[in-house]
Amino acid sequence: QVQLVQSGAEVKKPGASVKVSCKASGYTFTSYGFNWVRQAPGQGLEWMGWISAYNGNTNYTQKFQDRVIMTTDTSTSTAYMELRSLRSDDTAVYYCARGGDRPHTLFGLFWGQGTPVTVSA
Amino acid sequence: QSVLTQSPSASGTPGQRVTISCSGSSSSIGSSSVNWYQHLPGTAPKLLIYSNYQRPPGVPDRFSGSKSGTSASLAISGLQSEDEADYYCAAWDDSLHGWVFGGGTKLTVL
Repeated sequence: QVQLVQSGAEVKKPGASVKVSCKASGYTFTSYGFNWVRQAPGQGLEWMGWISAYNGNTNYTQKFQDRVIMTTDTSTSTAYMELRSLRSDDTAVYYCARGGDRPHTLFGLFWGQGTPVTVSA
Repeated sequence: QSVLTQSPSASGTPGQRVTISCSGSSSSIGSSSVNWYQHLPGTAPKLLIYSNYQRPPGVPDRFSGSKSGTSASLAISGLQSEDEADYYCAAWDDSLHGWVFGGGTKLTVL
């Protein structure tokens, strides 16, 4: 069965970076992509971007364009989302979700469990 | 401020039918299909409806979706206490070249 298992909770200081992992199993890793979605406390869901596990192509939302790097490692079937220059308003739960081979392809049938990231001095 | 607009709250009693609406634009809902997600606190979101009205395996037929022009709706019939959750619509936005979500509707089962 398809499983996405994310890394554990993180606490970071403002200005630091965080790298969240999402290990996939139960399917052919390179046949799909990954979307990253976050939810800040008391806020709604926010799409951050997409990466192809086939060729590494990315599509980031403009808000995070300068601070986010999404990568994949096919040898370990793991997707990564790194967010730099963290601010307090980056405090959120970060989710990976399996997507398609294009950024606009449907996603959300399979999700990771979420990784809480707290940014605090 | 979310690109897609949803009412912040909705409520109903067990057995009732509730409708949650989602309004967008010509570049989002007007040119793309709509997905709906159910989100319970502390859990991952769940895909409830995709491509406007399709249900993934395992989603009860009490949940239905529709779309007209630049708006979409999620209907829940035979409301149950376990339906109490946050519901989000989402669509691809051709102008923004990305997925956009509604602000979410918190459904309370009275």
